[in-house]
Amino acid sequence: EVQLLESGGGLVQPGGSLRLSCAASGFTFSSYAMSWVRQAPGKGLEWVSGISGSGGSTYYADSVKGRFTISRDNSKNTLYLQMNSLRAEDTAVYYCAKDHYASSGSPEAFDIWGQGTMVTVSS
Amino acid sequence: SYELTQPPSVSVSPGQTARISCSGDALPKQYSNWYHQRPGQAPVLVIYKDNERPSGIPERFSGSSSGTTVTLTISGVQAEDESDYYCQSSDSSGSYVVFGGGTRLTVL
Repeated sequence: EVQLLESGGGLVQPGGSLRLSCAASGFTFSSYAMSWVRQAPGKGLEWVSGISGSGGSTYYADSVKGRFTISRDNSKNTLYLQMNSLRAEDTAVYYCAKDHYASSGSPEAFDIWGQGTMVTVSS
Repeated sequence: SYELTQPPSVSVSPGQTARISCSGDALPKQYSNWYHQRPGQAPVLVIYKDNERPSGIPERFSGSSSGTTVTLTISGVQAEDESDYYCQSSDSSGSYVVFGGGTRLTVL
C-alpha cells in the first residue's frame, strides 16, 4: 500500500525552528517529485515547496523562500522540511504529497497525501 | 503572484449536476487538477490533466477546459459529494504550484 507518514510537528515560538519528516512506503520514492502543502485552520490549501525525484531541483512559494528548506534522502525514502524563522502565519497542518507522474521534475499533480502534522507558532 | 479564482460556494439538489469553475491566466498553457477534501481529512485527487480520472474515482466526476477557465462537473450529485473542492495548477513557468481558494459544495 502506498503510504506517507508525516512527523515533527508541534508548538514553537515565533522565530524558532522545526524540522518535519515524511516517511514514504509502497512506491519507488526516488522516481517521484514530492511536495509540502499546508492548510491554516479554517483556510484553504497552500503549496509550500516541492523537490524533484533526484533532489536536484527545489521549488518554493514566495511566502517561505529563504526561511524553509526542502530536502530528501532517497536511501531512507524520507522527505524533509526544515523551517526556520517561523512566524504566526506559518501555523497550519502540513501535508506531504506525492506527485502523480513518475520521473517528473517540477511538482504537477498530487495523488497521495499523508495525514498531516500540525505546526503551531505561538508564544 | 499568480492566482486561481473559484466561487466560494455551490449548492445543488441530489441527482442534479454541479459545476465548479476555476479561472486563471495561465490555464491555457498549464494543466489543471481537482481535489476534494472532507473536514479533518487529507485532500483526494479527483481529476488530473484537465479531464483525466484517477483509478477509483467515480465516472460522475469530469473535467473540462476552455480558455482561462476550467470546470469540474459532478453529474448525479450524491450526498457523499458534499465537500470542499480545490483546483490546482502551475504558473506559466511551471515552477510554482497554485491552489484555488476552494469551493464548498452543499447538497441540499
